[in-house]
Amino acid sequence: DAGITQSPRHKVTETGTPVTLRCHQTENHRYMYWYRQDPGHGLRLIHYSYGVKDTDKGEVSDGYSVSRSKTEDFLLTLESATSSQTSVYFCAISESRGQGPYEQYFGPGTRLTVT
Amino acid sequence: AQSVSQHNHHVILSEAASLELGCNYSYGGTVNLFWYVQYPGQHLQLLLKYFSGDPLVKGIKGFEAEFIKSKFSFNLRKPSVQWSDTAEYFCAVNPLNTGFQKLVFGTGTRLLVSP
Repeated sequence: DAGITQSPRHKVTETGTPVTLRCHQTENHRYMYWYRQDPGHGLRLIHYSYGVKDTDKGEVSDGYSVSRSKTEDFLLTLESATSSQTSVYFCAISESRGQGPYEQYFGPGTRLTVT
Repeated sequence: AQSVSQHNHHVILSEAASLELGCNYSYGGTVNLFWYVQYPGQHLQLLLKYFSGDPLVKGIKGFEAEFIKSKFSFNLRKPSVQWSDTAEYFCAVNPLNTGFQKLVFGTGTRLLVSP
């Protein structure tokens, strides 16, 4: 398995509180991604990063921000959590060396419940 | 809108039955194609991938998929399923004109194999 860890693995928080999820990789991969997984929706991309301090929005970025100050860490922040952000959050990494396609490797996930 | 469709949301099979899960996409141009599997409580793992060459791709655990360009399809097959194949299966498409390693996921198919 790729060296990807996510913390925390489970979190329960109240509406309106800020929450930060951390993704840490030991593979030195350039690309990092945050997805959310919800029943009936599959995985949807929230934000992604293509290098240190280089990030961009995915399809469901409203209410989320990210930061990447080091190659190995990609943080996802919910500035003011809402119940609609209750979900399982997955981090993924990929690299672009060599011939494609460039599969993404996924972390173990963080289950977030917003009450 | 461009999308990835998995029409079978839930599939129930007995052990030794044959499996075929459908995946259709609506992107024009060149695409890379993936099937991922998520066992209960675990993260996504790659089953197989296609980017060029033989349209019949073999993956791990006896799975294979066939790319039919004219039908925009990439169906997953296994001739004889086992109880351990119980999982959720996701098709994913990487449209190569997106400028980065973007994966668009289908909504998933939940497979239950009864012993």
